[in-house]
Amino acid sequence: KAGVTQTPRYLIKTRGQQVTLSCSPISGHRSVSWYQQTPGQGLQFLFEYFSETQRNKGNFPGRFSGRQFSNSRSEMNVSTLELGDSALYLCASSLESGWYFGPGTRLLVL
Amino acid sequence: AQSVSQHNHHVILSEAASLELGCNYSYGGTVNLFWYVQYPGQHLQLLLKYFSGDPLVKGIKGFEAEFIKSKFSFNLRKPSVQWSDTAEYFCAGGRYGGSQGNLIFGKGTKLSVKP
Repeated sequence: KAGVTQTPRYLIKTRGQQVTLSCSPISGHRSVSWYQQTPGQGLQFLFEYFSETQRNKGNFPGRFSGRQFSNSRSEMNVSTLELGDSALYLCASSLESGWYFGPGTRLLVL
Repeated sequence: AQSVSQHNHHVILSEAASLELGCNYSYGGTVNLFWYVQYPGQHLQLLLKYFSGDPLVKGIKGFEAEFIKSKFSFNLRKPSVQWSDTAEYFCAGGRYGGSQGNLIFGKGTKLSVKP
């Protein structure tokens, strides 16, 4: 089975712009979660989706949003980018046996 | 507040040495625990997981972990490390089943294995 895929892998944006990241879960997985990974804060949970519904949300400002489509693919959006949003954004999908992570999208905000 | 803590920030071992990385969690109720590994330049990979049952869990690449409820611990062990085990290791906990709910991650432990 193909793993979790994320696009793009690398992204450079400037402050104030917005960005959309995409995640395709493992085939058959209906749960998708997003995490932000930074050297200082480590891995922090953003949100979780199941059957197109947000089931859980972490402590991030409203600039961070997401959605899930009927085919379980998910996108996350960050509006009005700030320098501190530079991070590796990880997507994970799950069926019943734990969470499996994608390679991440590395976002650099200048 | 729910938390997962890893006490060792950086561990340096020689090849063939034994490994034990500590992980403690601080929340009650249903506990699902995981160890992930992140090799340099690669994505997080699931090493092993504990949901219930036998507290000694065996994972991939010769790793195992023991869930000790009385100590709120889930330490990762390997009897003999190899240079290829050089990576960052993350302990994570979840409140619900393995398919829902967010994971709380520890800060990670970097393992450097000297050849």
